[in-house]
Amino acid sequence: QLQLQESGPGLVKPSETLSLTCSVSGGSISSTSYNWGWIRQPPGKGLEWIGNIYYSGSTYSNPSLRSRLTISVDTSKNQFSLKLNSVTAADTAVYYCARVSCMVRGVCAQTPNIDSWGQGTLVTVSS
Amino acid sequence: QSVLTQPPSASGTPGQRVTISCSGSSSNIANNYVYWYQQLPGTAPKLLIYWNNQRPSGVPDRFSGSKSGTSASLAISGLRSEDEADYYCAAWDDTLSGHAVFGGGTQLTVL
Repeated sequence: QLQLQESGPGLVKPSETLSLTCSVSGGSISSTSYNWGWIRQPPGKGLEWIGNIYYSGSTYSNPSLRSRLTISVDTSKNQFSLKLNSVTAADTAVYYCARVSCMVRGVCAQTPNIDSWGQGTLVTVSS
Repeated sequence: QSVLTQPPSASGTPGQRVTISCSGSSSNIANNYVYWYQQLPGTAPKLLIYWNNQRPSGVPDRFSGSKSGTSASLAISGLRSEDEADYYCAAWDDTLSGHAVFGGGTQLTVL
C-alpha cells in the first residue's frame, strides 16, 4: 500500500526558506503513470495547489508561487522535495504531498487527479 | 478568490439529495476534466470523483458528478451524517503555462 510522509521543520522564520521532503513507500516514484505533487491548506481555509513533478524532473507549478518555488525529485531515495523561499506569514499552512495520476486516455497528461495523500505537516512562518 | 467558484456552504437532512456546484471558465472546466474531493475534519482530502463522473473504488454510488460547459456539480443522494465534510472541486487550467486550480470549498452540514 502506497504511503507518503512529509518531513521538515515545523517552524520557519520570515524571509527564510521552507524546505520539505516527501518519502514514498509502497510504490516507485519512477512510475510513468504518476506525477508527484504538493498542495497546501492555510489554517481554516481551502486547498491551494503548489506544483507537480514527474520522475524525469519535469515540473508544473502555481503561477503565484513560481518565482519562489523549487520542486525536485530524487529517484534513488524515492523522495521528492519542496523549497519555497522568502516566506511570509501567508505561507503558514498544512503542506500535503501527494501522488497524482497522470493517465488520461492512455496518455500521461497534467491533471489534479490526486489519488493518494500524505497526512500533512503544519509549517508555521513566524519569528 | 479561487479560480473555481463554489458555494461556501450547503446543508440537507438525512436521506435527502444535495448538490454542490462548481463554476469555472473555458480555460479550465470547459476543456478539462473535473475532480471532486471530500475532506473530513482533521484529515487529508480524499478523491471522490475523477474524470467528471467516475468514482474510485470504494466510493459509494450515492456520490455522482456531472459537467456541462463551464460548470460542474457533485450530487450526494441518501445523505448520511458521515457525509458532513468539506468538498472541493478541481480542474487543470490551461493558462499561464498550465496549472491546477481548486474551488474554495463547500462545507456540507447534515442537519
